Formats: sequence, C-alpha cells, structure tokens
Amino acid sequence: GAVVSQHPSWVICKSGTSVKIECRSLDFQATTMFWYRQFPKQSLMLMATSNEGSKATYEQGVEKDKFLINHASLTLSTLTVTSAHPEDSSFYICSARAWTGEETQYFGPGTRLLVL
Amino acid sequence: AQSVAQPEDQVNVAEGNPLTVKCTYSVSGNPYLFWYVQYPNRGLQFLLKYITGDNLVKGSYGFEAEFNKSQTSFHLKKPSALVSDSALYFCAVRALNNFNKFYFGSGTKLNVKP
Repeated sequence: GAVVSQHPSWVICKSGTSVKIECRSLDFQATTMFWYRQFPKQSLMLMATSNEGSKATYEQGVEKDKFLINHASLTLSTLTVTSAHPEDSSFYICSARAWTGEETQYFGPGTRLLVL
Repeated sequence: AQSVAQPEDQVNVAEGNPLTVKCTYSVSGNPYLFWYVQYPNRGLQFLLKYITGDNLVKGSYGFEAEFNKSQTSFHLKKPSALVSDSALYFCAVRALNNFNKFYFGSGTKLNVKP
C-alpha cells in the first residue's frame, strides 16, 4: 500500500520556540494531505487540510497563525508549530489521500511533540 | 452531523477466541465507514471500509466488519484473535459533504492474552 512518512518521529523543545514537522508521501503523489492531533487516550481530531499549491483549510478552533501549514510539492506537507507552549504537546499525525484502485487515506507514523 | 461511538474503552480476549470491537454510527444518509488500527507510537493503518454493497466487509489481517443499517452498527470482528492483534482500534465515518473529513471514534484498546 501507499506509504506516508513523518519527520521527526519525536521532538522536545523549549517553550516559545517553533517546531517544523514534515509529512511525505513516499511512493505516490498527494494533492491533499491532512493534519491530525491526538491527545493521550483520545481520538484523532482533524486540524487542517493541506492542499498543494494553495492555502490550507483549517478546522474550527484551530489557530492558523499558530499552526502553519505549507504544501509546496505533491509529496511534501509541513506543519510548523510556532511559539510552542506546553499545551501544544501532543501526537501529530498526517495523512494523505491516494488512489490505489480505490480512494483511501494513508496515515503517517506520527510525531510526538513535547514542549517544556 | 456525523459521528461514531465506540462504547468500550478496552476489550480483553484470549488468543484463539473470536473478538468483536463495537462501533455505532450516526449519519444522516448513507454512511462511509472505516476501521483503522494503531500500534504504539505509530500512525493509523487502514483495515477495511464499507461504502456500499455486501454488509459483510473483509479487510486486512483476517479482520471483517458487518454493516447493520437497522442497528446503525459497524462492528469489527475476527474469528480467531492473535496476540499480535493487540492494539488500539478506531472506527471512523467520512463526512457526507466533505470527503476529506473523517470523524473518529474514541478508540478501543484490544488486549489479546496468550
């Protein structure tokens, strides 16, 4: 099946710094990627939809100036958490939509962010 | 609005026994339903989906799910559980007016004991 990677797999940063997370589709082109956030023992919450070559679409309640998304190519989307605070600590997961005979979303392995 | 509910936080089964992970949905219209599995510190892996057709859907790793319209359920099943099936399972429904948007259940932790 289609493979989606994320980098880094985990990151620890100081409060006030910015962190960039990369999401790549390794063996297919993805015009649309998605960013989710997962709190401990909770489900995934869609944060935004990333569209190649255009602005991301953010879900209600997600600060677009805090969570910057860039989808510069058909295989790469980045999420930058700006001026991170401890409450931003979470597991961030991206997914990409692919056609492999039928349309399905494939998820990356996730990035665990800890803000001290 | 669309939503799914997973009433069990945790399911415990013995290896070799059948397993069921429950999911109910609330959708105004025909639902697009999915099951995903998540291993520790990993992203979600697609197991199976129901869009239309046969109510019994077969997926990866021997899993299957039965769509029941009258009970608005989409329970995940496997005839014989393996220890390696131990993971977190998520049911999801895709929004009818936005195919990009998935609504996930709260997840059910499956523990398969030897």
